[in-house]
Amino acid sequence: AQSVSQHNHHVILSEAASLELGCNYSYGGTVNLFWYVQYPGQHLQLLLKYFSGDPLVKGIKGFEAEFIKSKFSFNLRKPSVQWSDTAEYFCAVNARGYGGSQGNLIFGKGTKLSVKP
Amino acid sequence: NAGVTQTPKFQVLKTGQSMTLQCAQDMNHNSMYWYRQDPGMGLRLIYYSASEGTTDKGEVPNGYNVSRLNKREFSLRLESAAPSQTSVYFCASGTGVYYNEQFFGPGTRLTVL
Repeated sequence: AQSVSQHNHHVILSEAASLELGCNYSYGGTVNLFWYVQYPGQHLQLLLKYFSGDPLVKGIKGFEAEFIKSKFSFNLRKPSVQWSDTAEYFCAVNARGYGGSQGNLIFGKGTKLSVKP
Repeated sequence: NAGVTQTPKFQVLKTGQSMTLQCAQDMNHNSMYWYRQDPGMGLRLIYYSASEGTTDKGEVPNGYNVSRLNKREFSLRLESAAPSQTSVYFCASGTGVYYNEQFFGPGTRLTVL
């Protein structure tokens, strides 16, 4: 079965610190990759996505992610976090063509980010 | 353009009661999804509908049924609620199959006593 691993359960940073959240997936074929953010008490919102092309993807609010195919990774980065970035972050993968998948997403278990002012 | 809407926002049930969670989207998407979110578990797919008239099981379908009423609406039914179904339920709609970006509703927080 396909899986998505997020290595950090809870990350605590001070404002202005740099952020990197890890995401690895297990599927060897073509993938679409996503990072979603969930602010406290809210629904999931798309931060950024990778379908093809440039492996360095820029998203909203200064976030970016790099797809490294050889490492099966799609890590999320931000150079300088703000208190308002406090949220839970989910990596998700669509393993294209796997088992007749109808575009289903497989989610990681999430990483909680707490930013201290 | 409301996106994906869900009702109710909160619900408390007693064990054995039934209820239906409603979901609607106005983005003309073919695919729709139901997920449950539990602490430390991420989102797990319950059921999905790739297009109007079709539904399929996801990762955790036991204890649930779904109905794709039309292209806009996709409901989730709990026939006999159990405490293990206490969770936050999210509905989503998707833009396609191979390039599928999913948009999420605000969620329903369900407690089963």
